[in-house]
This record gives sequence, structure tokens and C-alpha cells, in this order.
Amino acid sequence: DAGVIQSPRHEVTEMGQEVTLRCKPISGHNSLFWYRQTMMRGLELLIYFNNNVPIDDSGMPEDRFSAKMPNASFSTLKIQPSEPRDSAVYFCASSTLTGYTEAFFGQGTRLTVV
Amino acid sequence: TQLLEQSPQFLSIQEGENLTVYCNSSSVFSSLQWYRQEPGEGPVLLVTVVTGGEVKKLKRLTFQFGDARKDSSLHITAAQPGDTGLYLCAVFGSSNTGKLIFGQGTTLQVKP
Repeated sequence: DAGVIQSPRHEVTEMGQEVTLRCKPISGHNSLFWYRQTMMRGLELLIYFNNNVPIDDSGMPEDRFSAKMPNASFSTLKIQPSEPRDSAVYFCASSTLTGYTEAFFGQGTRLTVV
Repeated sequence: TQLLEQSPQFLSIQEGENLTVYCNSSSVFSSLQWYRQEPGEGPVLLVTVVTGGEVKKLKRLTFQFGDARKDSSLHITAAQPGDTGLYLCAVFGSSNTGKLIFGQGTTLQVKP
């Protein structure tokens, strides 16, 4: 398996523009997580899905952020409109729901909003 | 308030030295994980500890879960430059739903 695949790896956009980040989890995994990482706040959990259903989105900072998981092999995180303070590295991770499971991370998307 | 407090935040040492980093909480957990993250990559799991007082070894790394399952430590013996990275502890907020929460991490730099 190729692991968790995120795209794009880097994104530079202007303030006010819509940004869509994409994630393909590992086949067979039924949990998917979106995280944001900054120096100041560390690795923050934004939202996570179990079996394609959003379970907890309490970490989503504002209504400008939305996430979807239309099927087991694809998820998106959208920011509309984007702001400079959204600049960060966004990670997607997937895992199974059984036992003390391991989360497998993608390589992340480095977002810069200018 | 962070669920998991990691200390120290930064650590810079010479090759060959020993070090210990800590992960503390006021909550009790059924398990705790340690991940390492290298620049430009996502975190990678090192170990999961599940029993109070448990000690696990991974080559030169020794992980311990506190007796009360509220805290954990990671000890590295004879650190090498390849150990450089961000060390993160993580817990599942609810074992039934799988919400995985991380501490802020300890950044380790091992100089040759």
C-alpha cells in the first residue's frame, strides 16, 4: 500500500481564496483524522471520521473550515475564505478502529496564505 | 489547557549523551503512544504502552507508562544524530471512538 496520500504538498494562495486539501487514506482503514500543525499550537486535531461519518469536529476553528468524506477512500478539507493565520501544515491520518491502533500519517500539505 | 503536557519543549545535546523526556496529564488513560516526526514528514508511531508501570524497549529507547497511567517517559541512551526529531506523545480521548490527541512535543537536536 502507498500509505496515506495527501495533495497538494504545497499550496500558496492569496487571502480570501478558497483552498481545498485532499486525502486518500490507507485502504481498509475506517478512521480518518485531519490535523493542523504550527510552531505555536503544535499538532491540533481538527476533525475525525469513523466509517465516513464525522464524529467530532470541535477542533475546527471556524465556519470557514469544512471537511467531507464522501466515501472510504477520499476526504477533503476546505477553507473558504482563507486567511493568513490559516498558514500551517495540514496532516491527514488514517487508522483502524480495532484495539490500540496506530495512526498512519500522510506527508502533509504546507499551506501559505499571503 | 493541554490534555498532555510534554517537557522539555526543546533539548539540544551532544552525541553520546543520555536524555529523558516526559509526557504528563491529570487524566487517566487506557493507553498512550509515542510518535517521532522528522522534518517534512508526518509522525510515525514508535510504541504503544497499555499497562500501568509497563516498560518497553526499542533499541536505545526505553518507554515507561506511569503506575497510575497518567504519565509516561521516554529515555534515550547514547543519543545519536539520527535521533534528532520531534517526539510526540498521544492518547485516545475515548477508546470507543478513536479520537487521537497529541501533546505539543519535545524537539530534540543531537549534535555530532
